[in-house]
Amino acid sequence: NAGVTQTPKFRILKIGQSMTLQCTQDMNHNYMYWYRQDPGMGLKLIYYSVGAGITDKGEVPNGYNVSRSTTEDFPLRLELAAPSQTSVYFCASSPGGSHQPQHFGDGTRLSIL
Amino acid sequence: QQQVKQSPQSLIVQKGGISIINCAYENTAFDYFPWYQQFPGKGPALLIAIRPDVSEKKEGRFTISFNKSAKQFSLHIMDSQPGDSATYFCAASPTGANNLFFGTGTRLTVIP
Repeated sequence: NAGVTQTPKFRILKIGQSMTLQCTQDMNHNYMYWYRQDPGMGLKLIYYSVGAGITDKGEVPNGYNVSRSTTEDFPLRLELAAPSQTSVYFCASSPGGSHQPQHFGDGTRLSIL
Repeated sequence: QQQVKQSPQSLIVQKGGISIINCAYENTAFDYFPWYQQFPGKGPALLIAIRPDVSEKKEGRFTISFNKSAKQFSLHIMDSQPGDSATYFCAASPTGANNLFFGTGTRLTVIP
């Protein structure tokens, strides 16, 4: 079972560039999430989705965009990369309903120089 | 603003000892409190979770203690092993939601 797969694992961007972080899950989960993890700060929710075509903002959405056209995929877009977006990004998924365990991918380490 | 406060930031424990990590929250809408374990280079994985209708939940060597009146909860790892060395995150979720608010993490090192 692949679970939650994130690509790429590492990426270096220049300020002002754009990129898409890919996330796909094979567990047929309705809910998907994007978090960023900064040293000493824990994980912060960027965006989440409760199903195809439905997305909503989390705690730290500024500078990011998402779309959810299929159950499996939930890409995260950075339009104008800034140094403050240097972080480790995690995608997660969970079954429908509240308080279900979230299953995380192994992350994308992004550096913006 | 950190909605879930976690301490200590790091913890070193001898093999066989007890590891204790504490978390506190203010938002009374939180009603689900999971703990996640993260190894280097990997994503967090659910370890154990509790709801506020119970004061304690035990799974193997891992126990969550919950104090609703004090708005505090803690993770106890009994008979700590070197394989338990990881970063542990407490989290909380509001009623009817799946959004998680994470603590800042505790890096646990268990010395053989």
